[in-house]
Amino acid sequence: TAGITQAPTSQILAAGRSMTLRCTQDMRHNAMYWYRQDLGLGLRLIHYSNTAGTTGKGEVPDGYSVSRANTDDFPLTLASAVPSQTSVYFCASSRSADGETQYFGPGTRLLVL
Amino acid sequence: GQNIDQPTEMTATEGAIVQINCTYQTSGFNGLFWYQQHAGEAPTFLSYNVLDGLEEKGRFSSFLSRSKGYSYLLLKELQMKDSASYLCAVMDSNYQLIWGAGTKLIIKP
Repeated sequence: TAGITQAPTSQILAAGRSMTLRCTQDMRHNAMYWYRQDLGLGLRLIHYSNTAGTTGKGEVPDGYSVSRANTDDFPLTLASAVPSQTSVYFCASSRSADGETQYFGPGTRLLVL
Repeated sequence: GQNIDQPTEMTATEGAIVQINCTYQTSGFNGLFWYQQHAGEAPTFLSYNVLDGLEEKGRFSSFLSRSKGYSYLLLKELQMKDSASYLCAVMDSNYQLIWGAGTKLIIKP
């Protein structure tokens, strides 16, 4: 089983350019999440979706947007990238939003120059 | 504010036992999770505690004391493949995970 897939694996992006990070899960999980992981810091929640058609802001949402048109896909868009968005981005999903274990995709390593 | 504290780095010897501590202060509590993360890889789920006490799962055990805001992960019979970062995370009253920065565990032969 694939679980959660993310694309691309890594990317170098010029500042000011836009980019969409893709995330797809095949577990029929209702809830999905986007995190960023930076050296020396814990994972920080960017946006989440408790169910298809709904989204919410996490701890660090500025500069990012998401959509949840269906159960499986949860893309993250950077409208105009800045160097501080250089990070490793993880997508995760859980069966429901209330206390269930979250399972992570392999991550996307993004360098903004 | 919400805070999760765990040691930055620990070193242990192959075959030994190591205890990784985690203390937390959060807005509400809906469970504590431990994840393992090998370098360059995604976090993978290890354990979940919502009630006080010890949960044992093979070589790994996790303990929780809600009154003290404290948990630990105990790894027995350490193997080289256990070299990884161990992440403590608490689910708050909004069911959002608050993450510690992780403890990098180095296993020496």
